[in-house]
Amino acid sequence: SQQGEEDPQALSIQEGENATMNCSYKTSINNLQWYRQNSGRGLVHLILIRSNEREKHSGRLRVTLDTSKKSSSLLITASRAADTASYFCATDFQGAQKLVFGQGTRLTINP
Amino acid sequence: SAVISQKPSRDICQRGTSLTIQCQVDSQVTMMFWYRQQPGQSLTLIATANQGSEATYESGFVIDKFPISRPNLTFSTLTVSNMSPEDSSIYLCSVDRTGGGTQYFGPGTRLLVL
Repeated sequence: SQQGEEDPQALSIQEGENATMNCSYKTSINNLQWYRQNSGRGLVHLILIRSNEREKHSGRLRVTLDTSKKSSSLLITASRAADTASYFCATDFQGAQKLVFGQGTRLTINP
Repeated sequence: SAVISQKPSRDICQRGTSLTIQCQVDSQVTMMFWYRQQPGQSLTLIATANQGSEATYESGFVIDKFPISRPNLTFSTLTVSNMSPEDSSIYLCSVDRTGGGTQYFGPGTRLLVL
């Protein structure tokens, strides 16, 4: 399978703390994306990082990409209860536009 | 972003029947995608639907079970045929508006087969 792996599978932290999720993949990519899904609803696109980028920021989100290790991390700073959701990384493959999703991390922010 | 709607939002169906899910986009797009998300699992791509051509199915998915139509650049349907309880899942459509890789997803159709 070319599907990525994410860890941890589940993460529970206190509001205000930072949350870090990791994603590993198996083949070379054009880009890697992170998505959020609330309670089995549609996915919301968070951020896209290209293979020639090493770090990207968007608000409270920070994404890193290490293509030599075929891994990425998503950091959410100063977490809020509304950040409670499942987070998925997704990769595409050079020459292909389809996405392959990781297994996801279930994040719970405790008030 | 893109505004994408799906109908129905949820349904409960009897085994052996078929359900057609509609996906409507607010602008013209070349590529539309259909995904399945089984309970507690991640998303798996079923097929890619391009207007004017046959859908391209991923390994493990066949046209007889999941026929797809793409009559124009803003609309697609996915039919789940001869359903069994194993087909109980969330079905999502998505689009790539710019070809840059970012996909925008519909709200999903939650299907329960009894």
